[in-house]
Amino acid sequence: DQQVKQNSPSLSVQEGRISILNCDYTNSMFDYFLWYKKYPAEGPTFLISISSIKDKNEDGRFTVFLNKSAKHLSLHIVPSQPGDSAVYFCAASANQGNMLTFGGGTRLMVKP
Amino acid sequence: DTGVSQNPRHKITKRGQNVTFRCDPISEHNRLYWYRQTLGQGPEFLTYFQNEAQLEKSRLLSDRFSAERPKGSFSTLEIQRTEQGDSAMYLCASNGQVTYNEQFFGPGTRLTVL
Repeated sequence: DQQVKQNSPSLSVQEGRISILNCDYTNSMFDYFLWYKKYPAEGPTFLISISSIKDKNEDGRFTVFLNKSAKHLSLHIVPSQPGDSAVYFCAASANQGNMLTFGGGTRLMVKP
Repeated sequence: DTGVSQNPRHKITKRGQNVTFRCDPISEHNRLYWYRQTLGQGPEFLTYFQNEAQLEKSRLLSDRFSAERPKGSFSTLEIQRTEQGDSAMYLCASNGQVTYNEQFFGPGTRLTVL
């Protein structure tokens, strides 16, 4: 039972354009959501997060949107840069974080 | 603050052997987590500690797996009688200095069981 799903295994965008990565969840107990970026042979790097009491959080080029009624969140990267090319994982936690439940990841390729 | 460190970075072993991995969390982080990641999948939770107490274990953590954090600082993860299905990246994370929400990951230990 996958509680966090990233339905697009890969995404390719042109440099300078917007990248939109999507994530769906099923567990209504999740109250905190995170995005991580992962390069090959490295551990995941924390990118941005959002609490369930908010619907948007912005940090520079990165914005996360949360739609609780649809149990859906998305990460927007504007403008996309070649250095953003990596695998992006969506993760969720309940009750101030014990375990994180991760999606399967989306590989983003930003073409120069 | 040097981040979370893990040793070794790579481990190749033969089936049936025991292996032990070490994780050093970020200083003063009182929570430490272990995850496992297989190819094409997201990390899966194994267990976590608050200080030296092991508070939760996943059903993925079979009786061949044991984790310790004896002094509430570094942690070890031991796998006994390794099987080929144990081949994966083992990730350690920590948090707790300010918030328990974001977890900060180490580079991982890649285990290959032949």
